Amino acid sequence: AQTVTQSQPEMSVQEAETVTLSCTYDTSENNYYLFWYKQPPSRQMILVIRQEAYKQQNATENRFSVNFQKAAKSFSLKISDSQLGDTAMYFCAPLYGNKLVFGAGTILRVKS
Amino acid sequence: DTAVSQTPKYLVTQMGNDKSIKCEQNLGHDTMYWYKQDSKKFLKIMFSYNNKELIINETVPNRFSPKSPDKAHLNLHINSLELGDSAVYFCASSQGLASSTDTQYFGPGTRLTVL
Repeated sequence: AQTVTQSQPEMSVQEAETVTLSCTYDTSENNYYLFWYKQPPSRQMILVIRQEAYKQQNATENRFSVNFQKAAKSFSLKISDSQLGDTAMYFCAPLYGNKLVFGAGTILRVKS
Repeated sequence: DTAVSQTPKYLVTQMGNDKSIKCEQNLGHDTMYWYKQDSKKFLKIMFSYNNKELIINETVPNRFSPKSPDKAHLNLHINSLELGDSAVYFCASSQGLASSTDTQYFGPGTRLTVL
């Protein structure tokens, strides 16, 4: 079975600080994609960032970046200059075939 | 313009009833999905359709029947609703099927409450 582990159920960060959310996964596939989605209180699922497993370069999207370690099957999300609007639940989700497999999520609270 | 829309956003109903949730995407995508998010926020895929054909069915009770009249629509019909069906149901869509690279875009979700 393909599993996804987000080991931090909840995290807090001060506004303007940096925070890293961890994710590990288990797969025997060699070619796959990985995604981070955020779900704010509005419950909308919003794409944050995606990473191609065949690329060594870590993906970056404005204040969001990933640290992808393929051998370790680790895919962490770094949020720089945290903003109040970043408060949300964050889901790590590898894509196997066309099936997204979600982790249990990390609740991130940004404090002013 | 809403890319993936779902109706209704909220649905409250009695046990044993039959209900439907509608989903439409205007992105021109070929593949659509239904996901269920339970009370602990755990998200799991239920179904996937590509060009109106079922391609994923994740051991969902047969009380759940997806219907895709065309590739822009994927509706979810639920018969004989049970308390355990209470959840948020998300529709999503992606460009294609052949590649496992396609980003999935989600609708706003439908909160179903079964009393």
